[in-house]
Amino acid sequence: QQPVQSPQAVILREGEDAVINCSSSKALYSVHWYRQKHGEAPVFLMILLKGGEQKGHEKISASFNEKKQQSSLYLTASQLSYSGTYFCGTERSGGSQGNLIFGKGTKLSVKP
Amino acid sequence: NAGVTQTPKFRVLKTGQSMTLLCAQDMNHEYMYWYRQDPGMGLRLIHYSVGEGTTAKGEVPDGYNVSRLKKQNFLLGLESAAPSQTSVYFCASSGGLAKNIQYFGAGTRLSVL
Repeated sequence: QQPVQSPQAVILREGEDAVINCSSSKALYSVHWYRQKHGEAPVFLMILLKGGEQKGHEKISASFNEKKQQSSLYLTASQLSYSGTYFCGTERSGGSQGNLIFGKGTKLSVKP
Repeated sequence: NAGVTQTPKFRVLKTGQSMTLLCAQDMNHEYMYWYRQDPGMGLRLIHYSVGEGTTAKGEVPDGYNVSRLKKQNFLLGLESAAPSQTSVYFCASSGGLAKNIQYFGAGTRLSVL
């Protein structure tokens, strides 16, 4: 039931782009993305709802393909501050009271 | 505005000891959650609460108990700690207009020897 994230880790140079994928074996109502910097708490990035549009946050955007039960996070022109572990959290129904099943995370390292 | 505050930040226990982790939020959120985070495992939901006086089990509830006697507080208890409960514990809350956004505390690092 835990969503599968890929890749597990990625190393970028500043200015490069990256895509992080999140796939579920079950139908999804929403996908949430969080970023966690080393030693800190996870921080909300964006949410994509079933039937919703692609969302954007600065140079970070995401899409949600309901039929394929997957979401992708796009990081363009990466900055050093983008380093961290990215988690997707999936919600199977709108009445789940916010219960999220998180993936294992994708560690992103941006080098100068 | 403190947000979500967890106490303590660090704790070392011996096997069989008990302890309570406290989570307090000042955002008047209805929902509160307890997660554990282990290397390579992501965040796993232990218990959650949808309001004062209510609690429910998450993915990994065994060995833990919770209580929400006041809306702003959510307590996580370990009655008899085991080495398998060594982990980083995060509390989160959500509610209001942005009820889908979970706000996390800074975490409690627990070691059970």
